[in-house]
Amino acid sequence: QSALTQPASVSGSPGQSITISCTGTSSDVGSYNLVSWYQQHPGKAPKLMIYEVSKRPSGVSNRFSGSKSGNTASLTISGLQAEDEADYYCCSYAGSSTGVFGGGTKLTVL
Amino acid sequence: QVQLVQSGAEVKKPGASVKVSCKASGYTFTGYYMHWVRQAPGQGLEWMGRINPNSGGTNYAQKFQGRVTMTRDTSISTAYMELSRLRSDDTAVYYCARGAPTYSSSWYVDYWGQGTLVTVSS
Repeated sequence: QSALTQPASVSGSPGQSITISCTGTSSDVGSYNLVSWYQQHPGKAPKLMIYEVSKRPSGVSNRFSGSKSGNTASLTISGLQAEDEADYYCCSYAGSSTGVFGGGTKLTVL
Repeated sequence: QVQLVQSGAEVKKPGASVKVSCKASGYTFTGYYMHWVRQAPGQGLEWMGRINPNSGGTNYAQKFQGRVTMTRDTSISTAYMELSRLRSDDTAVYYCARGAPTYSSSWYVDYWGQGTLVTVSS
């Protein structure tokens, strides 16, 4: 499977909202509501932020939300904070009990 | 609390094999899938495969078919990932990560190990 497509970088000022896109195909993102999003700070293990397109695990701020339209999923972070600066990865179920990650997006808080 | 503790860093020569362990605690080991994900230096995450610790059934990414073997020892709540015929581009941090419950059709990982750096160099 080919990696899902994410923008290499996005940026925003504190308090603003940003959206990170994740584009796949009709074989992965478009066929299943099984997209998850992960936040990774430098040198740390990733952290689950969103699963099943729009569900938030316990303990994750409601400033993080997810959605999907067709073959593209999106992660929106509202009320941007300095600690949100990190790399973000999407992941989708790709059929036949396999998964695929996006290439990652570096979020810079200006 | 859920914890996944991985084995230490490894240095291997090209052509060799490496076996990374992941000891789980704080939950019922056989009740959740275990995934393996790797990250090359400065690169993104790459899904390698998963194991059902209850049945031992495995699913691998096509890229690693024939080179990766995932196993588990339920008596000590430990999962293993062995990668053979190592190449320099296998140099990466390898993570184990707990997946969805085995009865579920969902797809995510919610707890991660600390990562194991595998360096392949002659």
